[in-house]
Amino acid sequence: AQSVTQLDSHVSVSEGTPVLLRCNYSSSYSPSLFWYVQHPNKGLQLLLKYTSAATLVKGINGFEAEFKKSETSFHLTKPSAHMSDAAEYFCVVRRGGGGKLIFGQGTELSVKP
Amino acid sequence: EAGVAQSPRYKIIEKRQSVAFWCNPISGHATLYWYQQILGQGPKLLIQFQNNGVVDDSQLPKDRFSAERLKGVDSTLKIQPAKLEDSAVYLCASSFHQGRPPDEQFFGPGTRLTVL
Repeated sequence: AQSVTQLDSHVSVSEGTPVLLRCNYSSSYSPSLFWYVQHPNKGLQLLLKYTSAATLVKGINGFEAEFKKSETSFHLTKPSAHMSDAAEYFCVVRRGGGGKLIFGQGTELSVKP
Repeated sequence: EAGVAQSPRYKIIEKRQSVAFWCNPISGHATLYWYQQILGQGPKLLIQFQNNGVVDDSQLPKDRFSAERLKGVDSTLKIQPAKLEDSAVYLCASSFHQGRPPDEQFFGPGTRLTVL
């Protein structure tokens, strides 16, 4: 069965410093992996997705993630945090060929001035 | 292009009462999803429709939850009777189709339900 584990429930960084949000996955075959962001009172928005093409995936707003099969990881990074990045981030795996998404518990990112 | 619309945005009810949520997906999207997001957790799929047919309702508590998408467009999720543990945000999402690979899911803003 597929699942994802987000290793930090809360991450706090200073504006202008790098962001690292960690995610490990469990899947019996090559997974499709996603990162979604959820700002307060707004809908979930897709940041980026991995679907077995390039292992380094670039997303919106300067975010990127690297698929590492040997480590079963799909960590989200950004070189320089902005205040507007403060939000909840979800690592997600898609189950099989259908559309069902399995969400992690979420990581709340705080950005200090 | 208009996004996924949901109403109401907030709802407060007493336990054992009934409540209904409405979702209008993006025009032309054949697949519609309802998720439940309990505070502090990631969303969990309740039910998935392809047009007006149910694809997956394995996580839907069928003794109290029901959902329909009669004309293959908008959808209603109902809870009857509500329990305290149903307090959550109910998210609706839609995607163009459920091909291989499935399209990106677009999420609505959600309905926050509080059961007292």
